[in-house]
Amino acid sequence: KQEVTQIPAALSVPEGENLVLNCSFTDSAIYNLQWFRQDPGKGLTSLLLIQSSQREQTSGRLNASLDKSSGRSTLYIAASQPGDSATYLCAVITGGSEKLVFGKGTKLTVNP
Amino acid sequence: NAGVTQTPKFRVLKTGQSMTLLCAQDMNHEYMYWYRQDPGMGLRLIHYSVGEGTTAKGEVPDGYNVSRLKKQNFLLGLESAAPSQTSVYFCASTNRRLAGGTDTQYFGPGTRLTVL
Repeated sequence: KQEVTQIPAALSVPEGENLVLNCSFTDSAIYNLQWFRQDPGKGLTSLLLIQSSQREQTSGRLNASLDKSSGRSTLYIAASQPGDSATYLCAVITGGSEKLVFGKGTKLTVNP
Repeated sequence: NAGVTQTPKFRVLKTGQSMTLLCAQDMNHEYMYWYRQDPGMGLRLIHYSVGEGTTAKGEVPDGYNVSRLKKQNFLLGLESAAPSQTSVYFCASTNRRLAGGTDTQYFGPGTRLTVL
């Protein structure tokens, strides 16, 4: 059974800092991995999707990497801003499955 | 495009009452999902559908039923609500890459349900 873990559960940084969020998964036979953002009381917004054949994806100040063999992904946020404060969730689809398995998220607070 | 919409946004039920949550998407997506999100438990899949007229069980299907009579709509029903079903419910949809989509899941804003 696929399990997704995100550490730390919460992170607080000063504005302008570069930071890394971590995601690990137990079954390396994934189809893709997605990073989402969730603001309080809101739904999830997809940030980046990495197919199993890819090593990384970039969007603006965000860069996500994937190392299937070690079962790890990282989300790098450059020059963090208070508006980046949210919960970030990682999710994977295992090959042959139709279902996303989510981690419990990392709650990020960027202090002005 | 409205994307994924959910009705209602909030609801309070008494134990034993029934209700239906409606999810609608205007992106012509084949795949639709119902999740529940609880503190400390993360997002868990209740039921999903891979096309009109199809449904399948997810991780926590007990106490829920679903229907996908139209491609754009996915209904989640609670026949006899229990306090354990107090949660925030999210609907999502996607088109798989192998079918010409992107695999990105688009989420609705959620329905906050309280069962007393």
